[in-house]
Amino acid sequence: KAGVTQTPRYLIKTRGQQVTLSCSPISGHRSVSWYQQTPGQGLQFLFEYFSETQRNKGNFPGRFSGRQFSNSRSEMNVSTLELGDSALYLCASNLGVADSQETQYFGPGTRLLVL
Amino acid sequence: GIQVEQSPPDLILQEGANSTLRCNFSDSVNNLQWFHQNPWGQLINLFYIPSGTKQNGRLSATTVATERYSLLYISSSQTTDSGVYFCAVVPFYGGATNKLIFGTGTLLAVQP
Repeated sequence: KAGVTQTPRYLIKTRGQQVTLSCSPISGHRSVSWYQQTPGQGLQFLFEYFSETQRNKGNFPGRFSGRQFSNSRSEMNVSTLELGDSALYLCASNLGVADSQETQYFGPGTRLLVL
Repeated sequence: GIQVEQSPPDLILQEGANSTLRCNFSDSVNNLQWFHQNPWGQLINLFYIPSGTKQNGRLSATTVATERYSLLYISSSQTTDSGVYFCAVVPFYGGATNKLIFGTGTLLAVQP
């Protein structure tokens, strides 16, 4: 099976712009989670989607949003970009049937640089 | 919320040496995973180990859930083992969620 894929891999934006990142989970996986990694804050949970519904949300401002489609692919959007949004954004997927007791598989990430 | 602490924060080894990385967590967990982050940023699964012991080649891991810690053993280290190792957990009382709480990581450098 193909692994988790994320597009684009690299992105450069300017302050005030918006950005959309995409994640395709492993085939058959219905749960998709997003994480932000920065040198200062480490790896932080953004949100989780399961069957097109947001199941959990981290402590991020409303500028960060996401959605999941019927084929389980997910997108996250960041509006009104700030310099501090520069980070590695990681997506993870799993089957979603065992309520937290499953291995999560991560994609290669999208590196976002905000200038 | 649950706290996840990893030690040591940094580790330098000579090739061929053994090492032990530790992960302490402050509450009961449903899920504990060890990851290796490669130089390109991808998190590579090493172990899913909420309890017990597992081995995979030169790597092994043990989680003592009752004492709230996990250990990752690397034997006969190679330069390709270099990188950051993360422990991540899902709290037992978190409900139906896959939200992983990550530790701060251990930066391992293996010198030839």
